[in-house]
Amino acid sequence: QQQVKQSPQSLIVQKGGISIINCAYENTAFDYFPWYQQFPGKGPALLIAIRPDVSEKKEGRFTISFNKSAKQFSLHIMDSQPGDSATYFCAASKPGYQKVTFGIGTKLQVIP
Amino acid sequence: EAGVAQSPRYKIIEKRQSVAFWCNPISGHATLYWYQQILGQGPKLLIQFQNNGVVDDSQLPKDRFSAERLKGVDSTLKIQPAKLEDSAVYLCASSLAGQGLAYEQYFGPGTRLTVT
Repeated sequence: QQQVKQSPQSLIVQKGGISIINCAYENTAFDYFPWYQQFPGKGPALLIAIRPDVSEKKEGRFTISFNKSAKQFSLHIMDSQPGDSATYFCAASKPGYQKVTFGIGTKLQVIP
Repeated sequence: EAGVAQSPRYKIIEKRQSVAFWCNPISGHATLYWYQQILGQGPKLLIQFQNNGVVDDSQLPKDRFSAERLKGVDSTLKIQPAKLEDSAVYLCASSLAGQGLAYEQYFGPGTRLTVT
């Protein structure tokens, strides 16, 4: 059962462009939506997170847009750089013991 | 601040053998998680500890996987006997607290297991 659906699975963007990754969820009990960045050979690291009481959160070049009624959220990476090349996971968790359900991941490649 | 430590980093075993992974969480973190990440997929939670106690092991294949967290600090995850489909990266993560507001999970580098 895939509770968090993520697309696309791979993405190639030119340097300076905008990278957009989309996620959709089923369970309306989810109340915390983090995005993780993972480089090869490393564990995932929290990039940015949002709660459903706001529609957008921005940190530097990274922005989460959240649409509660559509049960969708997305990550935008502005001015994408080669150093952003990594796998990005959206995730969701419910209140309580913070069990995090991850999406399948998007492998982003930023080309010069 | 030291991060989450895991060992070994790599392990190759034959099917039906046993293997154990070790995790040392960030000091003071009450919650510890073990995830399985199969190539090309997102991490899947195997077990979650709150201090010494298990709060979620619903996706742990209990016929072959076991985990313990002694004294609420270090943890070990064991597979016995291993199957080919257990080939994956096993990630350990920790966070400050377990209930209420979500806290950031900090991940270790993982152990890459290959079962031949």
